[in-house]
Amino acid sequence: IVLTQSPATLSLSPGERATLSCRASQTVSRHLHWYQQKPGQAPRLLISDVSNRATGIPARFSGTGSGTDFTLTISSLEPEDFAVYYCQQRTSYPTFGQGTNLEIK
Amino acid sequence: EGQLVESGGGLIQPGGSLRLSCTVSGFSVSNNYINWVRQAPGKGLEFVSDMYPNGDTFYGESVRGRFTFSRDNSKNTVYLQMNSLRVEDTAVYYCARETLWHYDMWGQGTRVIVSS
Repeated sequence: IVLTQSPATLSLSPGERATLSCRASQTVSRHLHWYQQKPGQAPRLLISDVSNRATGIPARFSGTGSGTDFTLTISSLEPEDFAVYYCQQRTSYPTFGQGTNLEIK
Repeated sequence: EGQLVESGGGLIQPGGSLRLSCTVSGFSVSNNYINWVRQAPGKGLEFVSDMYPNGDTFYGESVRGRFTFSRDNSKNTVYLQMNSLRVEDTAVYYCARETLWHYDMWGQGTRVIVSS
């Protein structure tokens, strides 16, 4: 299953709302997950199973979607949120989207 | 709380071999799904291989037949034996714990550079 993320780059200011998209080439189960990665660091789990925030993840992060279309929303950007975000699924074997680079405008 | 620590990366010539290690603390490798995921310079994340608790292994298409995942329960360590290395295998290699089809814990990564 191919995951396509859009946009590739998103330029926003702190305080703004960010909406990141992940589209699957076929229907995936609810096993669609989101990760944040900062330069020089390993990815960090944000959201599992479409909408479950991982331990310690602030409430400004939320996930929605079903079927082939999924969205990660950051309600009000904090300076530490600027990073690359990946979606991931495992229906047969794991695949990742190509990432969305969320940069400061 | 657990931890995964990778080691064994380095510079290797094309066609060479390298073995990566991932030493785990805080949980047992024999009872968990452990994956290797890699990231080429400036690129996204790519599944490499995983091992199930029962010992079954699975490989991504780009490494199948060249890489081998193994486990030493007594050392709570997993390994990735990489043979016939190619320039395109250059990447940071992460080991990660997979729980309910997502990666809830990652190591810091080890860098592999394949170059002549």
